[in-house]
Amino acid sequence: DAGVTQSPTHLIKTRGQQVTLRCSPISGHKSVSWYQQVLGQGPQFIFQYYEKEERGRGNFPDRFSARQFPNYSSELNVNALLLGDSALYLCASSLEPQEGYYEQYFGPGTRLTVT
Amino acid sequence: KQEVTQIPAALSVPEGENLVLNCSFTDSAIYNLQWFRQDPGKGLTSLLLIQSSQREQTSGRLNASLDKSSGRSTLYIAASQPGDSATYLCAVPRPLSSGSARQLTFGSGTQLTVLP
Repeated sequence: DAGVTQSPTHLIKTRGQQVTLRCSPISGHKSVSWYQQVLGQGPQFIFQYYEKEERGRGNFPDRFSARQFPNYSSELNVNALLLGDSALYLCASSLEPQEGYYEQYFGPGTRLTVT
Repeated sequence: KQEVTQIPAALSVPEGENLVLNCSFTDSAIYNLQWFRQDPGKGLTSLLLIQSSQREQTSGRLNASLDKSSGRSTLYIAASQPGDSATYLCAVPRPLSSGSARQLTFGSGTQLTVLP
């Protein structure tokens, strides 16, 4: 089975532009989460979606938005890009049982550079 | 608010040495703890997940332990190899009592270099 896939792999944008990042979860996984990882730090939680509804949002400005589609794939949108948005954006998918553990599986990430 | 700390930030060892990476967390009401490996510029590879009811989890040369009461976990790597060189991250999920989002809180990682 394919793992979590993300596109594009790399992206270079200019300040003020908008960007859309895409993620496809592991088959059968209904939960998708997005994380931002700045160089030298651990990933920071941005959003989680489950069954097309936002389950949670981290401490990020409204310039960040996301959505999940009926096939459980997801898009992360960032508007009015700032230099500080340069980071590795990671997508993770997991099963979402009512009880029990939920191991998260991460994709390869999208490297965004804002100039 | 959960905080996760990893010490040391960087570690360099000769090949063949056994080593321990440390992870501490402030809120012991965790459901599980997950260890990840990250190669430079790459995504995260899950190494081990320890449930709160477990004390240890093993995979090959890796052994992870969890002590909820003290807020600590260790990752033991036996007979280290140059291919083990990577950044190792630990992460804990948001307590179930704090909401439905299954967000992970990560440490900053330990950058391991195994010298041949």
